[in-house]
Amino acid sequence: NAGVMQNPRHLVRRRGQEARLRCSPMKGHSHVYWYRQLPEEGLKFMVYLQKENIIDESGMPKERFSAEFPKEGPSILRIQQVVRGDSAAYFCASSPGPGGTLHFGNGTRLTVT
Amino acid sequence: SQQGEEDPQALSIQEGENATMNCSYKTSINNLQWYRQNSGRGLVHLILIRSNEREKHSGRLRVTLDTSKKSSSLLITASRAADTASYFCATFSSGNTPLVFGKGTRLSVIA
Repeated sequence: NAGVMQNPRHLVRRRGQEARLRCSPMKGHSHVYWYRQLPEEGLKFMVYLQKENIIDESGMPKERFSAEFPKEGPSILRIQQVVRGDSAAYFCASSPGPGGTLHFGNGTRLTVT
Repeated sequence: SQQGEEDPQALSIQEGENATMNCSYKTSINNLQWYRQNSGRGLVHLILIRSNEREKHSGRLRVTLDTSKKSSSLLITASRAADTASYFCATFSSGNTPLVFGKGTRLSVIA
């Protein structure tokens, strides 16, 4: 049973470009969470999605960031017009339901030059 | 916002010693979970303890929960070099709220 798959593992973007991060949850998991981690820091919650629905986006910046989890295909975290401060590791996790164990991917490391 | 606060921020011990990490949180919870993160990797779930439980064991791990003090501890007995990692506590409140993580304890086990 494949775990949570994130791609790409590393992404380099110039300031002003768009970054698209993909996450395929574990089979049978319909709940997806995105977290952001800065070096030597903990994980900061960004957004919680179920299929075709955003449940909680209280951790998402109001501008430039968006997320989706369509009926078919992976969840996408999209960052428009990236700035240097967006450089971080972005982790996706999935679970079969709220409050249970999260299964994490290995993250996408975004570097903005 | 950060719910859990781990203590200490960093811990260095000799192989074979026990390692204790603490976590304090602010609001009422449904459960508390501990995760481990190796450098450059995603987090791996270690153990979950519910709000009505006081202690739980899994192999060399022992977790306690004191809801009156809003705190938890993770004990790793007979540590090994392979236990070197960052350890995070995370709390779940209720309903459709997400897990909220602390900043972690960096554990170094020296062989």
